[in-house]
Amino acid sequence: KNQVEQSPQSLIILEGKNCTLQCNYTVSPFSNLRWYKQDTGRGPVSLTIMTFSENTKSNGRYTATLDADTKQSSLHITASQLSDSASYICVVSGTTSGTYKYIFGTGTRLKVLA
Amino acid sequence: DAGVTQSPTHLIKTRGQQVTLRCSPKSGHDTVSWYQQALGQGPQFIFQYYEEEERQRGNFPDRFSGHQFPNYSSELNVNALLLGDSALYLCASSLRVSGANVLTFGAGSRLTVL
Repeated sequence: KNQVEQSPQSLIILEGKNCTLQCNYTVSPFSNLRWYKQDTGRGPVSLTIMTFSENTKSNGRYTATLDADTKQSSLHITASQLSDSASYICVVSGTTSGTYKYIFGTGTRLKVLA
Repeated sequence: DAGVTQSPTHLIKTRGQQVTLRCSPKSGHDTVSWYQQALGQGPQFIFQYYEEEERQRGNFPDRFSGHQFPNYSSELNVNALLLGDSALYLCASSLRVSGANVLTFGAGSRLTVL
């Protein structure tokens, strides 16, 4: 069964600290994995997208890693800011006969405190 | 270059009523997907439209129906509304023939059923 599991479910950190969010998946066949940031009541916004051949990709203070062998990804946030408070969703896509399927994780809710 | 636009942003309905939500995809995109996101949960896939036809469908009852127009815009219709239909409805567009196949989300339509 295609599944995407994220941990932790929620996280509280102090401004300026670093944190790492985890994503484990069992989606097959695998096409790509992306991390989205979703502010409360808003649509998700793409942070990074990675194919199976990519190990690391950065977008400013956000760095995503992917281990296609263990089917794990992480999103590392450096020097957190209050504006990083949001839900972070891991989405894995796979293609079968030319049809893309997107499997969503339930997200990690991050709260950054001053 | 306009992103995905959704309307209305908020609406309130009562049980048993019908609702229509609208979505205009990002310029250049030809595929529209709809998601339901309950509070504190990840998005749940409803269905996807391409070439004016429903191509994939998630685990949603027939009360949920849709349409795609020749200009790629789309509508989501929900009949006989239930309290449990209260959620943020997200529209995402993508380009079918794309190696990355990135989903671009709209800001969502917040539906409250009383």
